[in-house]
Amino acid sequence: GAGVSQSPSNKVTEKGKDVELRCDPISGHTALYWYRQSLGQGLEFLIYFQGNSAPDKSGLPSDRFSAERTGGSVSTLTIQRTQQEDSAVYLCASSLAAPNTGLFFGEGSRLTVL
Amino acid sequence: LAKTTQPISMDSYEGQEVNITCSHNNIATNDYITWYQQFPSQGPRFIIQGYKTKVTNEVASLFIPADRKSSTLSLPRVSLSDTAVYYCLLHSGTYKYIFGTGTRLKVLA
Repeated sequence: GAGVSQSPSNKVTEKGKDVELRCDPISGHTALYWYRQSLGQGLEFLIYFQGNSAPDKSGLPSDRFSAERTGGSVSTLTIQRTQQEDSAVYLCASSLAAPNTGLFFGEGSRLTVL
Repeated sequence: LAKTTQPISMDSYEGQEVNITCSHNNIATNDYITWYQQFPSQGPRFIIQGYKTKVTNEVASLFIPADRKSSTLSLPRVSLSDTAVYYCLLHSGTYKYIFGTGTRLKVLA
């Protein structure tokens, strides 16, 4: 596609439910990133993929968070047993493998946990 | 990872030039300096990147002194639509793109 696509754009769920957020990166971008942004705050790095591998998962807030990437393209961020503090905008970005080529972000998925 | 420090907020008037300075005293030799712009309810957007001296594109200029311990993003003749959060970050070609809290620029009429 022309840009990074994320879905759903908005998700309201009840505490304790599982949610899945999807990211479709720019075609040809081998690197994919997930960030979280709480209201009025900066971006919190969650995880990075190079191809289908995630060399660094240390940014994931807890073991309720997981992410996978298949076929070197689409990625899914899963949050199990959601809590109210998980409410935030989840942003996905992709980039070329070459260094210093910049990140291209999607519009984000706004998650609200009631 | 080297840390960056920016002013939390700035106000300006339409038509003025705005300069936002970012401090990065512990910048590494391999680090590049990149600036992103974020509008409400949108993901950040790449503005400009540099390593040393001056870089200019159609949107902004980036000034980096010889010691590279700071950098200044310059926005010429801002308009109301430039109201956004501006992030300065360092990276060295690895995956580590760490965003700080950014500078909230408000352009007034």
